[in-house]
Amino acid sequence: NAGVTQTPKFQVLKTGQSMTLQCAQDMNHEYMSWYRQDPGMGLRLIHYSVGAGITDQGEVPNGYNVSRSTTEDFPLRLLSAAPSQTSVYFCASMGGYGYTFGSGTRLTVV
Amino acid sequence: GDSVTQMEGPVTLSEEAFLTINCTYTATGYPSLFWYVQYPGEGLQLLLKATKADDKGSNKGFEATYRKETTSFHLEKGSVQVSDSAVYFCALSEMYSSASKIIFGSGTRLSIRP
Repeated sequence: NAGVTQTPKFQVLKTGQSMTLQCAQDMNHEYMSWYRQDPGMGLRLIHYSVGAGITDQGEVPNGYNVSRSTTEDFPLRLLSAAPSQTSVYFCASMGGYGYTFGSGTRLTVV
Repeated sequence: GDSVTQMEGPVTLSEEAFLTINCTYTATGYPSLFWYVQYPGEGLQLLLKATKADDKGSNKGFEATYRKETTSFHLEKGSVQVSDSAVYFCALSEMYSSASKIIFGSGTRLSIRP
């Protein structure tokens, strides 16, 4: 089924560890973005990309890196995880009918 | 900057009750407005949208009208069901430079009692 695929669904990290959250879409959308969802704060934009090779910062970019080498993939990297990065992360892509979201990655940093 | 404010939850209603979830926005231009729904353990799904003033978005019995004069986009449903229990997000989208960004409200959790 066409859509946005995120992996993994769950992850526990120790403080200081690094990891990459994967996001892939098969709808040929140019625009992709990463959000984090925290209780009572809605969704906050971390980074976004308007096409392969182009990325920009969102509202809360610190502690996260992104790259966009292909239209399909938009991975989010945590270089040195901190407990404040415990959250649910959503990847989204935008096409003519609006945004399509992945099912999320629940990350816990201990 | 642009922002979205929606009523805080949780909202608890009995089945077949009338639902209103308030949403107001501030924007510098002419945004598109959206309601997204998030069921437990899932990502957000687009529920309805409106792209200009006085437009009414509707889907699955839910409706919302884009009111420019009151900068509002309230979500309504005449008779809710248990299956409507979810978190609802109001959002706006504007073009910034060459890209469109979406800004979400904080979400309203809705629980429907049988």
